[in-house]
Amino acid sequence: KAGVTQTPRYLIKTRGQQVTLSCSPISGHRSVSWYQQTPGQGLQFLFEYFSETQRNKGNFPGRFSGRQFSNSRSEMNVSTLELGDSALYLCASSLGQGATGANVLTFGAGSRLTVL
Amino acid sequence: AQSVTQLGSHVSVSEGALVLLRCNYSSSVPPYLFWYVQYPNQGLQLLLKYTSAATLVKGINGFEAEFKKSETSFHLTKPSAHMSDAAEYFCAVNFNKFYFGSGTKLNVKP
Repeated sequence: KAGVTQTPRYLIKTRGQQVTLSCSPISGHRSVSWYQQTPGQGLQFLFEYFSETQRNKGNFPGRFSGRQFSNSRSEMNVSTLELGDSALYLCASSLGQGATGANVLTFGAGSRLTVL
Repeated sequence: AQSVTQLGSHVSVSEGALVLLRCNYSSSVPPYLFWYVQYPNQGLQLLLKYTSAATLVKGINGFEAEFKKSETSFHLTKPSAHMSDAAEYFCAVNFNKFYFGSGTKLNVKP
């Protein structure tokens, strides 16, 4: 079956602009999580959506937002971009069954954002 | 708070040598534990997972990990390193939310 698809793979924006990233999860997966990965901070959790509701949220400013649609596809938006937002943004989907052995994250290839 | 600690941000081994990547977790109950691998410009790929069925877990590409409750550890090993193993490795724990370690970059020397 198809894996997790993230679009676009690469994008360049300038400071002050906004960006929207998309994530299509594996069919049947109801949970989508977003992570920011940078060389300095490593892998940082942004938020998780399950059945169109935000279930968990990391420590990021309000400029970072997300949503999930009824087909489980998710988008994340970053407004008023800053240089420090340059990162690889990873999306992961799972069945969303909480702390169970069946709940495994499957990652997409990521969207690499460069802010100039 | 739950946490995962990976000792050593960079590990370098020679091809054919033993690979040992360390991971310790903080938890009062046995969690669900995972190892992921990330190759350059790619997402994370699941190597193996511990779900309490067996303490020694075998994964893909010859990797395995042993769960030791007394040491709260879940170290990743591979008997003989290959050049293609060069990547970044992440340990993670699931406590209703996934917590990732800071990652260990493995370098394999010819």
